[in-house]
Amino acid sequence: SQTIHQWPATLVQPVGSPLSLECTVEGTSNPNLYWYRQAAGRGLQLLFYSVGIGQISSEVPQNLSASRPQDRQFILSSKKLLLSDSGFYLCAWISVEREGTDTQYFGPGTRLTVL
Amino acid sequence: KQEVTQIPAALSVPEGENLVLNCSFTDSAIYNLQWFRQDPGKGLTSLLLIQSSQREQTSGRLNASLDKSSGRSTLYIAASQPGDSATYLCAVEVNTGKLIFGQGTTLQVKP
Repeated sequence: SQTIHQWPATLVQPVGSPLSLECTVEGTSNPNLYWYRQAAGRGLQLLFYSVGIGQISSEVPQNLSASRPQDRQFILSSKKLLLSDSGFYLCAWISVEREGTDTQYFGPGTRLTVL
Repeated sequence: KQEVTQIPAALSVPEGENLVLNCSFTDSAIYNLQWFRQDPGKGLTSLLLIQSSQREQTSGRLNASLDKSSGRSTLYIAASQPGDSATYLCAVEVNTGKLIFGQGTTLQVKP
């Protein structure tokens, strides 16, 4: 069976510090991977998606970047955090063969607070 | 630009009531519409997925309908229970597996 992991679960960082959030998927190959952010008072917003190693598409201009160094690993980064980066970050995956016919599977999320 | 709206934003009902959550979207060019449940501080759990060619899907006490031409979906919850208390999110899938989400309806079912 497939499993998706995110860490850390909770993070408190000062403004201007770097960020690295990690997402890994087990039990599948060549998944599409997604990073979403859920900010207070706002809905879930797609930040980045990846259809393969090294292939990253950005949905919104922002202070964040994403990388996919391995097939089942997706990393969200920032060089200098802003207060507005606070939120709940969710990683998701879907089998590319089932895109359009199957749901995305979400990880447990990382709660980021920037002070 | 696709926009998804959910009404109401919050709902409180006594246990046992049947209830309807509403979702509307602005562009009918979708692959499917999905309903998710989110418990506080947790990730999303998929409830129902309706393909663009389908009209409804059912799972247990949940029934979701889709009217693509009018850009509307409803989630019907029968005989609500306190364990149904959560935020319910509607999302439409557009190209490359992208999901566009509504802001959710927070449901409280009182015992």
